[in-house]
Amino acid sequence: NAGVTQTPKFQVLKTGQSMTLQCAQDMNHEYMSWYRQDPGMGLRLIHYSVGAGITDQGEVPNGYNVSRSTTEDFPLRLLSAAPSQTSVYFCASSSAGADSGNTIYFGEGSWLTVV
Amino acid sequence: AQSVTQLDSQVPVFEEAPVELRCNYSSSVSVYLFWYVQYPNQGLQLLLKYLSGSTLVKGINGFEAEFNKSQTSFHLRKPSVHISDTAEYFCAVRNTGFQKLVFGTGTRLLVSP
Repeated sequence: NAGVTQTPKFQVLKTGQSMTLQCAQDMNHEYMSWYRQDPGMGLRLIHYSVGAGITDQGEVPNGYNVSRSTTEDFPLRLLSAAPSQTSVYFCASSSAGADSGNTIYFGEGSWLTVV
Repeated sequence: AQSVTQLDSQVPVFEEAPVELRCNYSSSVSVYLFWYVQYPNQGLQLLLKYLSGSTLVKGINGFEAEFNKSQTSFHLRKPSVHISDTAEYFCAVRNTGFQKLVFGTGTRLLVSP
């Protein structure tokens, strides 16, 4: 009953450091995506994937990389962390199947602070 | 492209009072509409969704929403709120052919005794 699992839950980085936020889902979902949540701005899409080996940019992709080598995993990489990337990050997944109910499932979030 | 407007950033209400959280959207194509709730320091939980059919949608925790195509609205309502309903509520939209969600900026519901 895991659903969408994100790690780490909390992380503090220094400016210029790199790190990877991990996301895994066990529902065999084709679609996966990363959002960031900032006060007063709701959630904004960073990158998304419609299947293994296929990724594309969302609304705010700069400073982030993704890859999708397996259906289950969709890691988000910060190449050189900046204070502007201090945010809460959410991974999400959903099924393309007609009986999916079109529900998008979210992970618990990763709180990232860049100092 | 789709967009979502939640005009109220914060809605204070007393316990057992009714509440309405407003959501308006814009889109040139058919859409699916969602309401998510986020409790403090937690992820997003789906409250309810409109895909097609009846315009009145019932969700979890006694919430309901009505899809109004002519007014492009999807307001969330609850007839009697509890302290435990204190949370942030997000309206979201996606077009019927794609899986990307576009979120509103959120409405913080503050329920006091």
